[in-house]
Amino acid sequence: QVQLVQSGAEVKKPGASVKVSCKASGYTFISYYFHWVRQAPGQGLEWMGIINPNGASANYAQKFQGRVTMTRDTSTSTVYMELSSLRSEDTAVYYCAREIEGLDSWGQGTLVTVSS
Amino acid sequence: EIVLTQSPGTLSLSPGERATLSCRASQSVSSSYLAWYQQKPGQAPRLLIYGASSRATGIPDRFSGSGFGTDFILTISRLEPEDFAVYYCQQYGSSPWTFGQGTKVEIK
Repeated sequence: QVQLVQSGAEVKKPGASVKVSCKASGYTFISYYFHWVRQAPGQGLEWMGIINPNGASANYAQKFQGRVTMTRDTSTSTVYMELSSLRSEDTAVYYCAREIEGLDSWGQGTLVTVSS
Repeated sequence: EIVLTQSPGTLSLSPGERATLSCRASQSVSSSYLAWYQQKPGQAPRLLIYGASSRATGIPDRFSGSGFGTDFILTISRLEPEDFAVYYCQQYGSSPWTFGQGTKVEIK
């Protein structure tokens, strides 16, 4: 069955960077796009961007332009999301999700806490 | 950017009742590329509806979606105890993808 398994929780200081991974299994990795979505504590869902694992092109929400980089490693069926210049407002659960007519499969989420 | 506005913010209902959730877009959603998700505390969202009205795999038929253009509805025909959760709409017809702010369905 389809599984997206994300890396563990992170605690970072303001100004640092974080890189979250999402390992896919149970289907052909390069067949479907991946998205990253975040959710601040007690808040709604926020779309961050999309990456095509077949070719690695990416498109980011304007809010995160210049701070986010999405990459992939086809040899391990893993996508990555790196967010730099972290601030307290970036404290959130970060999700990867696969796109098939909407987001049909999601990772379990990775809590990133930004605190001095 | 398409802004999605969900109403009501909170819906207080009893098990067995019908729930009607609204999602209004600031501009027309291309090709009805509108999805609905359910999220329970501590869990990732789950896709319920895509293409405005198609149920995702394994979703019970008490969940139904309708609408086109700028106005969309998610209906839960008879609420089961496991349906009390937060529901989000999302448009994926144009970039950036956007979500509504959510509707919480709580037990009355």
